[in-house]
Amino acid sequence: GNSVTQMEGPVTLSEEAFLTINCTYTATGYPSLFWYVQYPGEGLQLLLKATKADDKGSNKGFEATYRKETTSFHLEKGSVQVSDSAVYFCALPTGFQKLVFGTGTRLLVSP
Amino acid sequence: EPEVTQTPSHQVTQMGQEVILRCVPISNHLYFYWYRQILGQKVEFLVSFYNNEISEKSEIFDDQFSVERPDGSNFTLKIRSTKLEDSAMYFCASNLRGNSPLHFGNGTRLTVT
Repeated sequence: GNSVTQMEGPVTLSEEAFLTINCTYTATGYPSLFWYVQYPGEGLQLLLKATKADDKGSNKGFEATYRKETTSFHLEKGSVQVSDSAVYFCALPTGFQKLVFGTGTRLLVSP
Repeated sequence: EPEVTQTPSHQVTQMGQEVILRCVPISNHLYFYWYRQILGQKVEFLVSFYNNEISEKSEIFDDQFSVERPDGSNFTLKIRSTKLEDSAMYFCASNLRGNSPLHFGNGTRLTVT
């Protein structure tokens, strides 16, 4: 079945640093790809998505490009803020209604 | 913005006891889900529910687990006889259509002692 591999955390950055969180996937066909974020004490929230190859999803300054050549969907942000501290999950559907998630990457941003 | 709400936020129970985790999905959503995350591990799919029946379940969702939509608003997950390895964060989710983005609750942390 479909699967996703995410880089280990935690990732520790200073404010305004550049962020990359790696995600690679294995899938049948070209499913939609997602990044979810979990802020402290909260549930999972959809951060961005891409529905087909070469699509770029973006939201709140974060971006990720669906690259079928490298089977990747890396999350990037040019300048992180303390408020971006959270756990980030890469995900894709496997089956009609089921998502498979990566292990999550904790991002810690210090002032 | 409407949200999925889960209660309680933290449940502590003894091994062998029954627990019921409660969720109120977004009111116009039609598909409901439970996921769980054991500490330090992946978020795992447990079950999906549509039209008052289970539409898909994982191998984790054995006979000890059941789901129910007892009225028009609640969606519950019952574990009949909890085991230590059931300790995890349980997330409820819902969506309007089966392939639209999921909306998650804040989770219930279940601790089995």
